[in-house]
Amino acid sequence: EVQLLESGGGLVQPGGSLRLSCAASGFTFDNYAMTWVRQTPGKGLEWVSVISGSGKSTDYANSVKDRFSISRDNSKNTVYLQMNSLRADDTAVYYCAKRCSSSTCYKAFDYWGQGALVTVSS
Amino acid sequence: QSVLTQPPSVSGAPGQRVTISCTGSDSNIGAGFTVHWYQQLPGTAPKLLIYGNSYRPSGVPDRFSGSKSGTSASLAISGLQADDESDYYCQSYDRSLSAYVFGTGTKVTVL
Repeated sequence: EVQLLESGGGLVQPGGSLRLSCAASGFTFDNYAMTWVRQTPGKGLEWVSVISGSGKSTDYANSVKDRFSISRDNSKNTVYLQMNSLRADDTAVYYCAKRCSSSTCYKAFDYWGQGALVTVSS
Repeated sequence: QSVLTQPPSVSGAPGQRVTISCTGSDSNIGAGFTVHWYQQLPGTAPKLLIYGNSYRPSGVPDRFSGSKSGTSASLAISGLQADDESDYYCQSYDRSLSAYVFGTGTKVTVL
């Protein structure tokens, strides 16, 4: 059974930093890209970042580029999101999700974690 | 700032069929990128409902179906049931933004 478990959320002041972790199990971790998606309270979904299975390729939404950094440790089956220079509008629930391959399900996000709440406030 | 537009809400009586539209542009759906649909029950994480425009993951009832034409896509729910009450989001890729994009979301209410 695929499981994704986020941790590291919490309250942080504007301008501060936070690192989210997502521990994965139930699949061959380094075979799949992983992604982060956020959802502001009561609002819709926004893609944040993606990292390839090897970790060599990454991409970011314009709204977080140069502030957030995605990485992974395939020996620990964990993906990270380092968030710096946080702003109030970064307040959201952050989900990690597994991206399936193009040959099996066209790169959809097929499994999601339960989410980690990040609140940026003074 | 979603680039995929969905109706805020749709409703139907039990047993009826409802459809949810997802309107994009020539830089995403119209460019040939596939559309996926997610169901988000209250207080839970999104769940993949339809992938590759029209395919259902294992375990998703065949009451749910997806289609795509031009710059738009649609999700249909037939035989509406009470536990279909949820938020639904479409998702694709936008080549101008070089980003995955989600729809604005649609709340389905069962009357």
